[in-house]
Formats: sequence, structure tokens, C-alpha cells
Amino acid sequence: DAGVIQSPRHEVTEMGQEVTLRCKPISGHDYLFWYRQTMMRGLELLIYFNNNVPIDDSGMPEDRFSAKMPNASFSTLKIQPSEPRDSAVYFCASSFYTDTQYFGPGTRLTVL
Amino acid sequence: AQSVAQPEDQVNVAEGNPLTVKCTYSVSGNPYLFWYVQYPNRGLQFLLKYITGDNLVKGSYGFEAEFNKSQTSFHLKKPSALVSDSALYFCAVRAETQYGGSQGNLIFGKGTKLSVKP
Repeated sequence: DAGVIQSPRHEVTEMGQEVTLRCKPISGHDYLFWYRQTMMRGLELLIYFNNNVPIDDSGMPEDRFSAKMPNASFSTLKIQPSEPRDSAVYFCASSFYTDTQYFGPGTRLTVL
Repeated sequence: AQSVAQPEDQVNVAEGNPLTVKCTYSVSGNPYLFWYVQYPNRGLQFLLKYITGDNLVKGSYGFEAEFNKSQTSFHLKKPSALVSDSALYFCAVRAETQYGGSQGNLIFGKGTKLSVKP
């Protein structure tokens, strides 16, 4: 299995621009998670889905952030408009039921 | 509410010596516990988990963890540290509902940086 796939691996953008991060979970997994990691705040859960349905989005920092999962093999995390404080590494992870989560390599986002 | 604590921000060990990375947890139901490792510029990698059964759990790369219910601890151990073990280590517990059932997400500790010197 290829594991969790994230794209792009690196993204540099200017403040105010829209950013879209993409994730392909492991085939057969029914849970998908989006995390953000920074030095200051550590690892934060933003939102997670079960069977493509958002279950808990309480970690989404504000309305500028949105996430979708149109099907079992694809999810997006969108930031519009982006701000410098959004600079972080964003991870996607997936699991089967509530078992072990497997993480992708992450997207390093820099907002100038 | 459930929680996980990693009391040490950093652990320093000499190569060849045993290592321990500490983790304590708080849950109301049965704990489902995990350890992950993160190497620089990489995602988190699963090391091992405790669901039920033997209190000593063996995982990847020679790591093991000891579950202690009375002390609510799940410490990560390795008999002989390698320089290549230097990384950030996360302990996690599966979140539970208000009724004690499992939710989908994990509650992560803040992480412990392990530094192994030659």
C-alpha cells in the first residue's frame, strides 16, 4: 500500500491567497484526520471525518478554514484567505475504524 | 475528560544505554494507548499500541512499552539506544465518549524529544 498521500509537499504563498491541501487516505480506511503542527502549539487536531462525514470540526481555528471529503479516497483542506500565522506543517492521517492512525508526510505551508 | 501527559520535554541518553520516555494517561474507561515517533521533516510513524492483554507491548525498531494500570502509565523503553533513535516521541490515548465508548480520534501528548549521543 502506498500509505497516506498528501500534496503538495511544500507550499509558499502570499497573504490573502487561497490555499488548498490535498489528501488521499489508505484504501479501506473509514476515518480521516487533519492535523496542524507548529513549534508554538504542537500537534493540533483540526477536523476528522468518518465515512466522508465530518464528525468533529471544533479544532478548526476560524471560518477561513474549511475541509471537505467528497469521496472515500480524497479530502481537501482549504484556507481562504491565508495569513502568515497559518504557516505550519499540515498532516493528514487515516485509520480503519478507531484503530491505529497512519500519517502522511505532511504539507509545509509558508504564508508570506 | 481523557488526557495524556509526557512530563519530560527532552530526554538525553548515551548510545548503548537503556532509554525510557514517560507517559501517563487519564481515561474513565479502558485505555487504548499508542506511541508514535516523528523524525525531522517527516510525518508521525506508528511504533506500538496497547489494547488489552500483556502489559509489555513490543513494537517496531526494538521499542517496547510497559502498561501499568495502577500508575496509569505507559512508558516507552528500549534496552540499548541508538543515535538513530533521536527523534520526537508522542504518546496518545484513544478518545472516548461521555459514555465510555470510543471516539475516532486520538488525544496526543505534547511530545518528548529524545537525543542519543554517541
